[in-house]
Amino acid sequence: DQQVKQNSPSLSVQEGRISILNCDYTNSMFDYFLWYKKYPAEGPTFLISISSIKDKNEDGRFTVFLNKSAKHLSLHIVPSQPGDSAVYFCAARRGNTPLVFGKGTRLSVIA
Amino acid sequence: KAGVTQTPRYLIKTRGQQVTLSCSPISGHRSVSWYQQTPGQGLQFLFEYFSETQRNKGNFPGRFSGRQFSNSRSEMNVSTLELGDSALYLCASKALQGYEQYFGPGTRLTVT
Repeated sequence: DQQVKQNSPSLSVQEGRISILNCDYTNSMFDYFLWYKKYPAEGPTFLISISSIKDKNEDGRFTVFLNKSAKHLSLHIVPSQPGDSAVYFCAARRGNTPLVFGKGTRLSVIA
Repeated sequence: KAGVTQTPRYLIKTRGQQVTLSCSPISGHRSVSWYQQTPGQGLQFLFEYFSETQRNKGNFPGRFSGRQFSNSRSEMNVSTLELGDSALYLCASKALQGYEQYFGPGTRLTVT
C-alpha cells in the first residue's frame, strides 16, 4: 500500500514559467511533509518542508502548499530555471517514524 | 560542516557474495537511516539507527542488516546477494532537533 503517491512520473516546463509538482497521501496521521530534489549520481537534497499545522511555506522560488482535507500537497517553483531539472521526491512522516517517500517526478525545464 | 559521506561509491559483486557499505553522518548527527533506491520504486526505507540502537526497521529480508558505532558511523551489510539487490543505497543523517534528513551521495551496487 503506497502511502505517498506522485502520480506524474514526468513534467516538462518552459524556462521562466511555473512548475507545479503534486503529491497525494493516504495516512491522515502524517504531521510533517518534505520535498527533496535529486540529480543523477547524487543523493537527494532537502528543499523545503511544511508542518501539518500550516497550509503554506515559502522559501525563495519554492513554495509548498498543503491541503489536509484533500490529503494533497504541491510544490511550486517560480520562475523555473534549467538548473531545476531533476527528480523531485515528496516525503511524509508521523512523529518519529521513518520518512515515507513517493516514487518521484522528473522535472525538465526547457530553455 | 562536512556532509554525509558514503564509501564505496560504486561496487560490483557476484550473486551469493556479501557486501558491506559504510556511512559517516554529519558531525553531531546521531540518527542514521538507510534507503534502497531502484528504478521506478522511489526510496525504500531499510533501517534507522540512533545511538547505536536500531530504532526502526523497514520491510526487507534478514539478509539486510546494519549497525552503528559509538562515533555514529554506520555500516549496512547484505549477505547472499541476489540480482534484485542491484540498487543505489543511500544513507541519511538527522540532527536531534528537526525532521530534515540529509543524504549522502549513495553507493551504487551492481550484482551480476
